[in-house]
Amino acid sequence: DAKTTQPPSMDCAEGRAANLPCNHSTISGNEYVYWYRQIHSQGPQYIIHGLKNNETNEMASLIITEDRKSSTLILPHATLRDTAVYYCIVRVALLGSGGSNYKLTFGKGTLLTVNP
Amino acid sequence: NAGVMQNPRHLVRRRGQEARLRCSPMKGHSHVYWYRQLPEEGLKFMVYLQKENIIDESGMPKERFSAEFPKEGPSILRIQQVVRGDSAAYFCASSPVTDTQYFGPGTRLTVL
Repeated sequence: DAKTTQPPSMDCAEGRAANLPCNHSTISGNEYVYWYRQIHSQGPQYIIHGLKNNETNEMASLIITEDRKSSTLILPHATLRDTAVYYCIVRVALLGSGGSNYKLTFGKGTLLTVNP
Repeated sequence: NAGVMQNPRHLVRRRGQEARLRCSPMKGHSHVYWYRQLPEEGLKFMVYLQKENIIDESGMPKERFSAEFPKEGPSILRIQQVVRGDSAAYFCASSPVTDTQYFGPGTRLTVL
């Protein structure tokens, strides 16, 4: 089962920053936090991932708390096309794989609606 | 730099027929994953494959479903004797070794 907790929905005004929270209080020291989004019925789109340090790319920023029990995905200037379900996922190693094989467990995510 | 490709994008089958879904991973990716998304639900992991090996099939239904990723060619998800409950979107993802998974556009299966 998913190891993360996210609010079911959020609203954001177009042009403003969207801050999506995620709790992952049972995360282990070597487990990464991944963010994906799914726009309508399209395939999930990778956004960003991190382990301990904050990360930034052309799509978003990821802020991970020092204790790693929560994180926030930041879309700095949300547009209408950012309306989607955002998934926060803790990537877990498969048992017996020695940390070499992983799978993703999707929860229900957060439906972000960007309003004009 | 073609992404993950899936075909067909839409597939209609009658109850009892077979459905074959194909997934071509991104160039250089040797790991393939299949997920299913039922209407109005989240994505559920089905199976994880490397070339000629099934690594984890814990999410696969025990009967009628099978998957393969041969040495040459695409990965195939096969559903035998389809039922209406199999109607869903099936997504494939690929990754290079143990890195980030990238998803395809999905195949929408409709069982009449």
